[in-house]
Amino acid sequence: EVQLVESGGGLVQPGGSLRLSCTASGFTFSNYAMTWVRQAPGKGPECVSAISNSGDTYYADSVRGRFTLSRDNSKNTLYLQMNSLRAEDTAVYYCAKNRGLKWYMDVWGKGTTVTVSS
Amino acid sequence: AIQLTQSPSSLSASVGDRVTITCLTSQDISSAFAWYQQKPGKAPKLLIYEASSLESGVPSRFSGSGSGTDFTLTISSLQPEDFATYYCQQFNSYPQTFGQGTKVEIK
Repeated sequence: EVQLVESGGGLVQPGGSLRLSCTASGFTFSNYAMTWVRQAPGKGPECVSAISNSGDTYYADSVRGRFTLSRDNSKNTLYLQMNSLRAEDTAVYYCAKNRGLKWYMDVWGKGTTVTVSS
Repeated sequence: AIQLTQSPSSLSASVGDRVTITCLTSQDISSAFAWYQQKPGKAPKLLIYEASSLESGVPSRFSGSGSGTDFTLTISSLQPEDFATYYCQQFNSYPQTFGQGTKVEIK
């Protein structure tokens, strides 16, 4: 069974940092692009960052320079390092697998909640 | 970034009704388009990809159409489990962007 499990969310003060992890199973992780999607309370999804199977990274303007996406194919794990966090980063963060080399998402994790508040 | 305008933002319908949701994109994206269903507290679920291809396991009452800048999701006969929020997404260029969502409620 294809599965994605996120971890690392929590409560952090503005200006703080968190590192989210996404552990994949049930498929050859290294062959697929992956995306982090966040969803603020009552809002639609927003693609935060994505990484191709070859390691090219992409960022939304709202997080560029603050977030860093990486992958460890030996551990089947995706990482999102989030620095200089702001209140507007508060959201549920989902890890998602892309379909092949396409940029739509066919498998999603259950999400991890990030709350930025003093 | 490519903008998506989804309509309506909400609708009320009865079981058995035919439901249509539309999405307009700010640029021609050919068929690089998907539809997702989301229920409260859950992750989005892929329904339609490449504008009109039905994801495996999704009931055939769901269908997608369109290309270029105009796209439509149709539910031919609404079932109780279909009450949810639906989002469109373009994946022609990064960042992939989503529509604002359509909440389908019980009449």
